[in-house]
Formats: sequence, C-alpha cells, structure tokens
Amino acid sequence: GIQVEQSPPDLILQEGANSTLRCNFSDSVNNLQWFHQNPWGQLINLFYIPSGTKQNGRLSATTVATERYSLLYISSSQTTDSGVYFCAVYTGGFKTIFGAGTRLFVKA
Amino acid sequence: EAQVTQNPRYLITVTGKKLTVTCSQNMNHEYMSWYRQDPGLGLRQIYYSMNVEVTDKGDVPEGYKVSRKEKRNFPLILESPSPNQTSLYFCASSFQQGPEAFFGQGTRLTVV
Repeated sequence: GIQVEQSPPDLILQEGANSTLRCNFSDSVNNLQWFHQNPWGQLINLFYIPSGTKQNGRLSATTVATERYSLLYISSSQTTDSGVYFCAVYTGGFKTIFGAGTRLFVKA
Repeated sequence: EAQVTQNPRYLITVTGKKLTVTCSQNMNHEYMSWYRQDPGLGLRQIYYSMNVEVTDKGDVPEGYKVSRKEKRNFPLILESPSPNQTSLYFCASSFQQGPEAFFGQGTRLTVV
C-alpha cells in the first residue's frame, strides 16, 4: 500500500520563526489534505491540495504530485500553531492514509 | 451549526464487554469513516462508508464492526473489546472522499 512519511517528526520554534513541514508519498494519489490537531485533540482541516499552491493567512501549502510530495509552510509562527500536523492522502480505492505527523511546539 | 458528534467522549470498559460508539453528522455527507489514533502512528482508518448500506474495510478493521442504515449515523461496534483496542477514536464525514472533511471531537477508549 501507499506509504506516507512526514518530516521532521518533531519541531521546536521560537515565536515569529518560519518553518516548512514535508509530506512524501510513495505512489500516485487522488487527493491530499493537511490537518492540524490542536493540544486539545481537535482535528482541523487546513488545506485540500491535490496539486499546486494554496495560501490561507500565515499558512500555505504546495503539492507537487508528479514528484510525490507536499509542503506546508508556516510563517511568523505563534504559540497557537502548536500541535500536530498531519497530511492525509486519498487512494483510488476510497481508503485514506495518514502520515505519522509532525509535532510542533512554538515557544513564547 | 455543521458538526460531527461522537458519543461518548470518554469510556473505560472491561475486556469482552460489547460497546458501541455513536457518530452522527448533520451535513448530509455521503462519505463517513472511523479512525483510531495511537502515539507515533498517526491516524489509521478502521472502516469507511461511501453511502447508506455501503461500507468497506480500512487498514485496521480487525475487531470492529460498522453499519450505515441512515445517512447521518455511522456507529462503531466493538463486539468483544480487548486491551489493544485502547485508543483515541475519531469519526469523520465529507461530501466526497477527502475534501472539507469534518472530524468529531474524539472518543478516548480504555479497555482493561
């Protein structure tokens, strides 16, 4: 089956710093999404991005489907950005595969 | 308010005692699915449903059952829970597989 690898596994930032999170996948996928799980466990949909680039405030994402990776950029990080960031890919067979996540801690 | 509602939020049970975790959505979504989250493993899909009476296995279906008799409800059934099913469970729904997925708040299950 498709393998989804996220890097780095853990990241500590000083408030105001920028970061890039990466998601690699081992085969062609139909769709890809980025999620944020906040420290209270709630999962929030960030981007639906099967290809191209999208931006939402301080967050942006780029997926290069032909090279099988996606990047999530966080600029001017804030303490509220802390949590775990997941990418999820969607196969043609309706299954959904999540990466193991990147745990982000933003220090004040 | 658009939402996915899971109940209960927390549950401690004993090995072998059948339990059901309910999931309900109010957005008329066709696609619903169940995940379990374990440390270091991310979320793994247990079962999914493309519409009423249409369900299929995800990556970790062993020990679980589901049903989809109504569009809004997608309960997760553990017929004989075991300690390795101790986990955080999420239900999700969307109009199609993937985009704009909404997640429930999670159910933390402990099997002793």
